[in-house]
Amino acid sequence: GQQLNQSPQSMFIQEGEDVSMNCTSSSIFNTWLWYKQEPGEGPVLLIALYKAGELTSNGRLTAQFGITRKDSFLNISASIPSDVGIYFCAGQLRNAGNMLTFGGGTRLMVKP
Amino acid sequence: GAVVSQHPSWVICKSGTSVKIECRSLDFQATTMFWYRQFPKQSLMLMATSNEGSKATYEQGVEKDKFLINHASLTLSTLTVTSAHPEDSSFYICSADDFVSEKLFFGSGTQLSVL
Repeated sequence: GQQLNQSPQSMFIQEGEDVSMNCTSSSIFNTWLWYKQEPGEGPVLLIALYKAGELTSNGRLTAQFGITRKDSFLNISASIPSDVGIYFCAGQLRNAGNMLTFGGGTRLMVKP
Repeated sequence: GAVVSQHPSWVICKSGTSVKIECRSLDFQATTMFWYRQFPKQSLMLMATSNEGSKATYEQGVEKDKFLINHASLTLSTLTVTSAHPEDSSFYICSADDFVSEKLFFGSGTQLSVL
């Protein structure tokens, strides 16, 4: 089956720093999605990307859909303590019934 | 925005008992719902795809007789963990596919602890 490699696995940064994480795939996706998960909760959608090359922002978050359709990155600028959580990328194929394939997650810790 | 309600949020049960988890789409119809399992510090792993009015499609390695899925209406899917054992302890999450907006929405998860 498809595999999504997400890196880094964890990050410990100082408040105010910028953060970057990425996902790569062995095959293409129609849609790339980025989620944030907090302890004991389900994932919450942050950004959805629908076209190769698309660059989308949501506040301090910016994500891009790689031109090859096999990768995506998420940047968080000027991190704050409430950014703490686990960030997951997910790829979606329309002809696979909208099923998501998740990356392994990036655990972000922010030091005030 | 669209809301998916998952209930219960947590459950503790004795080994050998069955546990039912409900997933409801509150303000949209979901012909397809997905069930995931998540172990601590790991990613979400798809268990099965639930289609309204038909049998669920299970991922390889997921026992269909142990994890019973019912999707009897466009707003409700249930996952029943039958004869639960300690190794079934995990965080279970559902998601519902809103075919109008073509977006997936997640429930808040159920933490199952089997003693």
